[in-house]
Amino acid sequence: DADVTQTPRNRITKTGKRIMLECSQTKGHDRMYWYRQDPGLGLRLIYYSFDVKDINKGEISDGYSVSRQAQAKFSLSLESAIPNQTALYFCATAEATGANVLTFGAGSRLTVL
Amino acid sequence: RKEVEQDPGPFNVPEGATVAFNCTYSNSASQSFFWYRQDCRKEPKLLMSVYSSGNEDGRFTAQLNRASQYISLLIRDSKLSDSATYLCVVNRNNNDMRFGAGTRLTVKP
Repeated sequence: DADVTQTPRNRITKTGKRIMLECSQTKGHDRMYWYRQDPGLGLRLIYYSFDVKDINKGEISDGYSVSRQAQAKFSLSLESAIPNQTALYFCATAEATGANVLTFGAGSRLTVL
Repeated sequence: RKEVEQDPGPFNVPEGATVAFNCTYSNSASQSFFWYRQDCRKEPKLLMSVYSSGNEDGRFTAQLNRASQYISLLIRDSKLSDSATYLCVVNRNNNDMRFGAGTRLTVKP
């Protein structure tokens, strides 16, 4: 099994729908992150969490919310999806100490029509 | 202007060639630096960290110039399996990691 698991892997939805992307990890890392990747823009940080109930905004948090109810789980929600949220979303984890190396999940491809 | 800038490429090189990628960053308070590799439709994976003194891992050499806010990656004796997108990553002082858009490399037989 993967160290960082994202579900769903692919999702097509319509404008205005609520979507949740889930991330779970078995690495025991305290830090968890959500990024989105768009062609030509690279990965951009949406939210990050350093501990249970700790939530921090990243570069592009508008239109998104997150929940960290357990160390191993970090979910990303789009309350009312819009087409420009069509992207590849990655969850990542890192240890609290050390080099801050990120371990990524396989990604969730979201299409908003 | 993006905080982390990379030449998007693509770089198309023959097997055995040496190729270098550059990256510049704008936040002078950035603390640590990395190169990640991303294969098509896959997640990024750490290639190597970048240290001030420069560091080498087999055919890969990374350099950091803090004064010029510049990072480089050199790949010697390119292999077909090196074909990927290489992401420059900069850790700001609050552990907020910023990514460049990536440089695409294709190594041809």
